Amino acid sequence: AQSVTQPDARVTVSEGASLQLRCKYSSSVTPYLFWYVQYPRQGLQLLLKYYSGDPVVQGVNGFEAEFSKSNSSFHLRKASVHWSDSAVYFCAVTASNTDKVVFGTGTRLQVSP
Amino acid sequence: AQTIHQWPVAEIKAVGSPLSLGCTIKGKSSPNLYWYWQATGGTLQQLFYSITVGQVESVVQLNLSASRPKDDQFILSTEKLLLSHSGFYLCAWSLGENTLYFGAGTRLSVL
Repeated sequence: AQSVTQPDARVTVSEGASLQLRCKYSSSVTPYLFWYVQYPRQGLQLLLKYYSGDPVVQGVNGFEAEFSKSNSSFHLRKASVHWSDSAVYFCAVTASNTDKVVFGTGTRLQVSP
Repeated sequence: AQTIHQWPVAEIKAVGSPLSLGCTIKGKSSPNLYWYWQATGGTLQQLFYSITVGQVESVVQLNLSASRPKDDQFILSTEKLLLSHSGFYLCAWSLGENTLYFGAGTRLSVL
C-alpha cells in the first residue's frame, strides 16, 4: 500500500523568495510520484511526475522536485515564487500495479507581496 | 487535443433528493476514468474507477453509484442525498500510466 504525508498545512512566503513544499511517501514497491496544484474552485493540474531516472524532475512554471529514496521524500521547489503561485499543492503516490492514486492532505501556499 | 467536461458546475440540493453528475472526455479512446470527492479544504478521496464501458469498480462506500454508459462518459449518482455528500466532485482520466488529468469539478451543497 502507498501513502503520502504533507507535514505543512500552510506555507507563507514573500514574492520572489524561494520555496520548498515537503512530501514524504511510503510505498512497498517502486512508486510513481506526482505534484498537482489546485487553484481556487478548480480541478487539479499536474505540475510534474517521477518514476525513475534523474532524481530531480522539472515541471511547469519553474517548479522542480527531488526524489530521495533514502529519505522517502519528494519535495517540491521553486527558486522564485510569484503571487500567482498561491494555491493548494498536493503530493500523490501510486504504483504500477494499481489504479489507486493516493493524495496527501495538501499544502496551502500563500505568496505575500 | 483531449478535453474533459464536467456538468453541472455547481448544484444545491436538498437532503433526500436524487443526484446525477456527469463527465465527458473527448479526444482519447478508451481512457481509464475516475471519480474523486474532496471535502471543503480537504484531500481527495477516490470513489470509483472504470477501465472500460459498463465496468465500474467501487473504492469506497458513500451511498453513491457510478456508471459508464459510453466509452467517453462517466456518471455519478445517488437516489437519496445525505448532508455528508456535500463537497467537490472531480472526474479524471488516465491512459493507464497512472497520470491523472482532472476536470474542473462540480461543487455540491446539500442542505
